[in-house]
Amino acid sequence: DQQVKQNSPSLSVQEGRISILNCDYTNSMFDYFLWYKKYPAEGPTFLISISSIKDKNEDGRFTVFLNKSAKHLSLHIVPSQPGDSAVYFCAASEISGAGSYQLTFGKGTKLSVIP
Amino acid sequence: DAGVTQSPTHLIKTRGQQVTLRCSPKSGHDTVSWYQQALGQGPQFIFQYYEEEERQRGNFPDRFSGHQFPNYSSELNVNALLLGDSALYLCASSLLAGLGNEQFFGPGTRLTVL
Repeated sequence: DQQVKQNSPSLSVQEGRISILNCDYTNSMFDYFLWYKKYPAEGPTFLISISSIKDKNEDGRFTVFLNKSAKHLSLHIVPSQPGDSAVYFCAASEISGAGSYQLTFGKGTKLSVIP
Repeated sequence: DAGVTQSPTHLIKTRGQQVTLRCSPKSGHDTVSWYQQALGQGPQFIFQYYEEEERQRGNFPDRFSGHQFPNYSSELNVNALLLGDSALYLCASSLLAGLGNEQFFGPGTRLTVL
């Protein structure tokens, strides 16, 4: 029973264009969402996050959109660069009270940015 | 400022053996979480330690156990290894009272069970 789903295993985008990575979730209790980037032989690196009280969060070239009613979020990378080529994981957690709660991850989407 | 470190990098064991993996959290962090990442899958939560106690646990059998030391470093122990335990084991550190839920990951330990 996958609570966080990334339905596209891979995505290829031309350098300079927009990359859009999608993520769906089923657990209504999730209220905090994160994107991580992973290069081979390295651990996941935190990229950007969004709380359920927002519908958009921007950080430089990266923007995350959240549609709570559709239980869907997306990561936009503009403009895409060859160095963005990596596996991107969507993750979700419940935050009730203080604390670092467990992250539930999707299976990842491998992004290839073509020069 | 050192990030999250893990040791060893790679490990090969045989079925039935026991293994111990180690993690040092990022400076200033007090919470350590462990994840298992099988090939082609996303990381799966094993458990989380804070103040030397297990505060959350995922859907893993009792063969998986852990420990956190007073300096916040942590160990993951797996007993009676099975072939299916072959995976990348990731340690993540965070601040329990921190904003949001950003966890910082180490490079992982690649465990192969033969």
